[in-house]
Amino acid sequence: GQSLEQPSEVTAVEGAIVQINCTYQTSGFYGLSWYQQHDGGAPTFLSYNALDGLEETGRFSSFLSRSDSYGYLLLQELQMKDSASYFCAALYNFNKFYFGSGTKLNVKP
Amino acid sequence: GAVVSQHPSRVICKSGTSVKIECRSLDFQATTMFWYRQFPKKSLMLMATSNEGSKATYEQGVEKDKFLINHASLTLSTLTVTSAHPEDSSFYICSAWDATSSYNEQFFGPGTRLTVL
Repeated sequence: GQSLEQPSEVTAVEGAIVQINCTYQTSGFYGLSWYQQHDGGAPTFLSYNALDGLEETGRFSSFLSRSDSYGYLLLQELQMKDSASYFCAALYNFNKFYFGSGTKLNVKP
Repeated sequence: GAVVSQHPSRVICKSGTSVKIECRSLDFQATTMFWYRQFPKKSLMLMATSNEGSKATYEQGVEKDKFLINHASLTLSTLTVTSAHPEDSSFYICSAWDATSSYNEQFFGPGTRLTVL
């Protein structure tokens, strides 16, 4: 499958802003999603970008640059409950998704 | 969002037995369901793509005779781990994909934790 790269771990304090980057392979790429997963739970959908630019949904925003094969998830006004793993997932050939390696976000008081 | 159920949530079995995991989309018709495997603190590894009424498409390295997938209806897909061995112990998660949505959102089941003794 296709490989997507993310930082393994990020630590930030409450109220701060964090950016989690994701690079992907371009062959067959259609769009980039972001998911949040708490320990022991199922992934939950956060956002999706098919076009270049920024998509904003409340405290979370996601960005895509197709020319750079790169996207990021921006989390603002961090809260303790945001501590979780975040995965980018790329849709390929409009028929399957491959997930990134995951970024563990630690939010500290 | 849509609801996807997965059953059982946890199963412990003896080596050599087979285990069936069910994945149901409760409030929408999913033409495509995906099966993933996740090891502790690792990413979700796509095992196979399951399309209603047709044979599943397996990822490279996934044994189709080991992991039998059936997608009999638009709301049900099953994964059977045949002749399970301890190395098959893992967290298995299904998702239902709404390809008609502009967000191409996947709705995940709660997962099944399989432990093979």
